[in-house]
Amino acid sequence: DAKTTQPNSMESNEEEPVHLPCNHSTISGTDYIHWYRQLPSQGPEYVIHGLTSNVNNRMASLAIAEDRKSSTLILHRATLRDAAVYYCILRDVWDLRNQFYFGTGTSLTVIP
Amino acid sequence: GAGVSQSPSNKVTEKGKDVELRCDPISGHTALYWYRQRLGQGLEFLIYFQGNSAPDKSGLPSDRFSAERTGESVSTLTIQRTQQEDSAVYLCASSLDRIQPQHFGDGTRLSIL
Repeated sequence: DAKTTQPNSMESNEEEPVHLPCNHSTISGTDYIHWYRQLPSQGPEYVIHGLTSNVNNRMASLAIAEDRKSSTLILHRATLRDAAVYYCILRDVWDLRNQFYFGTGTSLTVIP
Repeated sequence: GAGVSQSPSNKVTEKGKDVELRCDPISGHTALYWYRQRLGQGLEFLIYFQGNSAPDKSGLPSDRFSAERTGESVSTLTIQRTQQEDSAVYLCASSLDRIQPQHFGDGTRLSIL
């Protein structure tokens, strides 16, 4: 089941900020918002996650809308190594089946 | 420390053969996940283990697919009587528990001739 909607692709210039949007209009109160990214020929890599408040870590920031129906992953200064497919995923921690729906993600191209 | 290890990294086999894919999770990780990724597509969730039990096997594509896990360590995904549509990268991930983020291996690329 597709619980999130992301643009298929985005471009950014190197060293500029990137804002990757995700819509999740059917989010429930117990759904966490997770972001992963996948570089070519590698398994996905965890980026960040949050519930209601904005989150920051060494890789990125996560901005969550007040109604939680959308969120934005922010890369503060894009580098060529950030070129990847970015997945926005909802995860209900009370779902004992613990299924993850990755969708098709956003393919980010970083232009030198 | 060591990450999630999957073997083999590549597997080519003839249609109709059985294949077994192995995943060694990070030591101490109680949760383990299998995914399938077809060329140019997103990840398709297959199954999740908490310890050696799988609460829900409904994500497995057909009864040709089965998975087992020994205790809180190695897991195997078995595909019987392989078909060409089984060609994909099979990814394994583990996490400290069902709440924590997942750590992925680099996958097994399966090609069915």
